[in-house]
Formats: sequence, C-alpha cells, structure tokens
Amino acid sequence: QSALTQPPSASGSPGQSVTISCTGTSSDVGGYNYVSWYQQHPGKAPKLMIYGVSKRPSGVPDRFSGSKSGNTASLTVSGLQAEDEAEYYCSSYAGSNNFVLFGGGTKLTVL
Amino acid sequence: QVQLVESGGGVVQPGRSLRLSCAASGFTFSSYVMYWVRQAPGKGLEWVALISYDGSNKFYADSVKGRFTISRDNSKNTLYLQMNSLRAEDTAVFHCARERGYYALDIWGQGTMVTVSS
Repeated sequence: QSALTQPPSASGSPGQSVTISCTGTSSDVGGYNYVSWYQQHPGKAPKLMIYGVSKRPSGVPDRFSGSKSGNTASLTVSGLQAEDEAEYYCSSYAGSNNFVLFGGGTKLTVL
Repeated sequence: QVQLVESGGGVVQPGRSLRLSCAASGFTFSSYVMYWVRQAPGKGLEWVALISYDGSNKFYADSVKGRFTISRDNSKNTLYLQMNSLRAEDTAVFHCARERGYYALDIWGQGTMVTVSS
C-alpha cells in the first residue's frame, strides 16, 4: 500500500501558524481515528506530537494541534518558534494487513 | 528513565543475515506492544513489524514478510529482529519503538544502522 501523502515542504515566520496536510484513503486516515504526528530533528529519533487525531502527549506544547476531515488529517503549529523547524511525519492505522502507514514527511522551515 | 537502546547493526552482504536487539528500561516492557520502524538514508519512516505484549501475535510489512522475524524476551526486557536474505533496499536505520495505544509510538530508540552491500 502507498504511503500517505504529505507536502514535501512548509514554512512560516516566527509567531505565525502553519498547517501540514496528510492525505490517505477511506482504508486508513478516513476509516479510523488513529492518526499520529511525529517530529524529527536531523539525526534524532522521531518524537510523538499528536495521537488519536487530536490528542497531545504530556509535555507537547498546546501550540501543536491535530484534526481530520474525511481522508485528510492536518497538523497545525501555532506561534511558530525556531525549534519547530524539523521534519514532520503523519501515520495512520491501515487495517490488519498493513497496520501502520507513514506519510513521506514534510520539512517545516521557520523563516 | 524510560529508554530503548538498539544494537546489532552493521555492514552485511546481500543474502546474509543479521539480528538486531532493543533493550528496554524504565518501564514495564511486558505491558507494551512493540514495533520496528526503519528509515532509509534521506527517506521517510516505514513500519517493519510489530509484536503483541506476550509475543503471541506478530505482524509484518509486505516488504519484509517471510524474511524478517520479530520476537521478544520479556524476562530480559529485550526486543529482537532477525533479518534473513537481506537486500540492498533493506539498508536503513532501524528503530524500535513502544506503542502507547492508538497505534501511536511514544518512545523510540536512537536506531541502529544496517547497510547491505557487497
């Protein structure tokens, strides 16, 4: 099964908001409320930022929020800060054959 | 503290085997579903395999099915990935990760690099 579709890049100035999309199908993103978002800085392990579409793990700033509409999930980062510059990956449960699909990643640049 | 530490990576010729290990600490390992996720150089994340709490259920990505085997030893707090018939396209950093529910991975190891090359 193909990876989820994310834009390769996104950008914003400090203090602004940016939204990253993640498009799948009714067999993954649209079919379950099991979308997660990960932040990865170069050379580091991924960090869970959002799970269950819109839930934040403890310690993740409330500047990060998630939502879903149909087959597309979104991650919004408000009040952009320099340390938010990183690669962001979405993932979704995709049924018992494929289990977890990841998006191709979006490089977020803080201008 | 809660952590996962992978080991066992290296350079291996195509067709050969390698076994990765992931040592868990700081949490009750036997209570969690565990995953292997890989990342080819300069590429995105790819789910490889997952194993249930007690090791009774195992699932694999199509790309590794029949070649890789995931296992765990809860008495040693260790997760394994046996990789056979390795191919050049298996070259990647392999991360082990803990699932917190919702198919979300909340703890990741730093990864171990596997290079398949002649």
